[in-house]
Amino acid sequence: GEDVEQSLFLSVREGDSSVINCTYTDSSSTYLYWYKQEPGAGLQLLTYIFSNMDMKQDQRLTVLLNKKDKHLSLRIADTQTGDSAIYFCADLRRANNLFFGTGTRLTVIP
Amino acid sequence: DAGVTQSPTHLIKTRGQQVTLRCSPKSGHDTVSWYQQALGQGPQFIFQYYEEEERQRGNFPDRFSGHQFPNYSSELNVNALLLGDSALYLCASSPPDGGGDEQFFGPGTRLTVL
Repeated sequence: GEDVEQSLFLSVREGDSSVINCTYTDSSSTYLYWYKQEPGAGLQLLTYIFSNMDMKQDQRLTVLLNKKDKHLSLRIADTQTGDSAIYFCADLRRANNLFFGTGTRLTVIP
Repeated sequence: DAGVTQSPTHLIKTRGQQVTLRCSPKSGHDTVSWYQQALGQGPQFIFQYYEEEERQRGNFPDRFSGHQFPNYSSELNVNALLLGDSALYLCASSPPDGGGDEQFFGPGTRLTVL
């Protein structure tokens, strides 16, 4: 199949770390992305990782890629209430289009 | 740089009508892709335009068509609207080097079909 799967919900307390997980099936994926979507808004590119990397860090964000298991994760350190949103992982297929997961709704509890 | 812009922001149509949505890519980008995001779902790829041609197409019927202009802006047309076409329509642009490392999205057009 061509699915990109994510858990639907995650709740964390403010100040804790959040880890959002994603699995994908297409081994031809070249780039993997994390997007953030706030209510009523479009998609904000948070970070991306090339498929030959296994980790990328960008300020509070850490992306881990296990290509063997086709598993991608996004860790948000010191999660804030402003991080509450839906997070989508997506992979870039050979056809140069993005295939998205169903999204994980992150709720940050003050 | 205004980034990716889309118009209109919201649109209400009735079944059977036709609609045109517009997208201007980020400066320096030449590839435009369109996505449909139904409520509670992730975006789904409709098609992609490059050099004024449809380069790739997702699993959408022929009622969905598009166009790209010489200035790289793009239109999405949907004919014979169905209730199920109600969604957020997102446009993404990417740079000329294959677009692998950057895909930027506009704010979307929310289409409601009554």
